[in-house]
Amino acid sequence: KQEVTQIPAALSVPEGENLVLNCSFTDSAIYNLQWFRQDPGKGLTSLLLIQSSQREQTSGRLNASLDKSSGRSTLYIAASQPGDSATYLCAVNLRGSTLGRLYFGRGTQLTVWP
Amino acid sequence: NAGVTQTPKFQVLKTGQSMTLQCAQDMNHEYMSWYRQDPGMGLRLIHYSVGAGITDQGEVPNGYNVSRSTTEDFPLRLLSAAPSQTSVYFCASRPGQATEAFFGQGTRLTVV
Repeated sequence: KQEVTQIPAALSVPEGENLVLNCSFTDSAIYNLQWFRQDPGKGLTSLLLIQSSQREQTSGRLNASLDKSSGRSTLYIAASQPGDSATYLCAVNLRGSTLGRLYFGRGTQLTVWP
Repeated sequence: NAGVTQTPKFQVLKTGQSMTLQCAQDMNHEYMSWYRQDPGMGLRLIHYSVGAGITDQGEVPNGYNVSRSTTEDFPLRLLSAAPSQTSVYFCASRPGQATEAFFGQGTRLTVV
């Protein structure tokens, strides 16, 4: 069974800092890994999708890397802003699993203060 | 540019009542799924579908039914609501197995 772990569970930083959020998974036979953002009381917004053959993906101030062999992904946020405050979830799409199922971590709750 | 639309956004039910949570997508995606999100549990798969007329159970299917008569719609039915079904429900869709998933804004359900 795929286990997805996110560290840290919570993070509070001043504005302007560069951040690294970690995601680890136990089964490396994946199609892809997806990072989401969830604001309080809201839905999941897709940030980045990394296919298993890729090493990293970038979107604006966000950069996600994938090391499939070690079962790790990191989400790097450059020059953090208060508007980045949210919960960040990673989800793994496992080969051979229930079709359509994503395995989610429990998230990192990020607070960026001015 | 609606994406995945869920209705209602909030619902309060009494124990034993039934209801249907609606999910519709306008992206012609074959794969659709229902998840529930509970504090400390993360998101768990309830039911999923890989096309019209094809559905199957996920991790926590008990107490829920689904059907998929069209590509666009994937309703989730609670047969007899229980307090344990108090949760936030999310619908997701994607074009295929190895593609990006898109989520709706969620339905917050309280069963009293």
